[in-house]
Amino acid sequence: QQQVKQSPQSLIVQKGGIPIINCAYENTAFDYFPWYQQFPGKGPALLIAIRPDVSEKKEGRFTISFNKSAKQFSLHIMDSQPGDSATYFCAARGTGANNLFFGTGTRLTVIP
Amino acid sequence: GAGVSQSPSNKVTEKGKDVELRCDPISGHTALYWYRQSLGQGLEFLIYFQGNSAPDKSGLPSDRFSAERTGGSVSTLTIQRTQQEDSAVYLCASSFAGSPPGQFFGPGTRLTVL
Repeated sequence: QQQVKQSPQSLIVQKGGIPIINCAYENTAFDYFPWYQQFPGKGPALLIAIRPDVSEKKEGRFTISFNKSAKQFSLHIMDSQPGDSATYFCAARGTGANNLFFGTGTRLTVIP
Repeated sequence: GAGVSQSPSNKVTEKGKDVELRCDPISGHTALYWYRQSLGQGLEFLIYFQGNSAPDKSGLPSDRFSAERTGGSVSTLTIQRTQQEDSAVYLCASSFAGSPPGQFFGPGTRLTVL
């Protein structure tokens, strides 16, 4: 059973566009929601993260929007660049848990 | 080292053989995690080590999978009697204690079982 559901599976945008990746969860015990960026042949790298007591967090061109009542969160990439082309994973951690539950990933392609 | 390292980067084996995958975490990180990434899937948690505590093995898919961590540093993931469905990228991550979201991942080992 997939604890975190992620969509879309793939996404193509023009340079400067704003890709949006969505994730949803059911477990109300999740208390931390990170996003990871993965380039081919590399391990995932932490991009940005949010806790459920905050509705939005921005770091540079990356923004997480969090809707606690809907149990959904999303990643927005402002002014996207070809170098942002990668696979993005959302994840969630249960309170006191040791591990993260990952979404299935979104392959983003930014066309020059 | 500067980051998490894993070896080998690629491993091709025959069905039924045993394999060992190695992870060197970031120096000073007491927590170590193994994940499996199958094609088109997200990362699947396998096992977690924290200091000298008993490991959290709740994610291991079968008793063919085991892992150990020697001296609180290097870890080895062993898969016995490999099956084709074991083919995946095996990722290791480390973090400071109590900071699972702040995991740093290695580049992974791509395992192919023929």
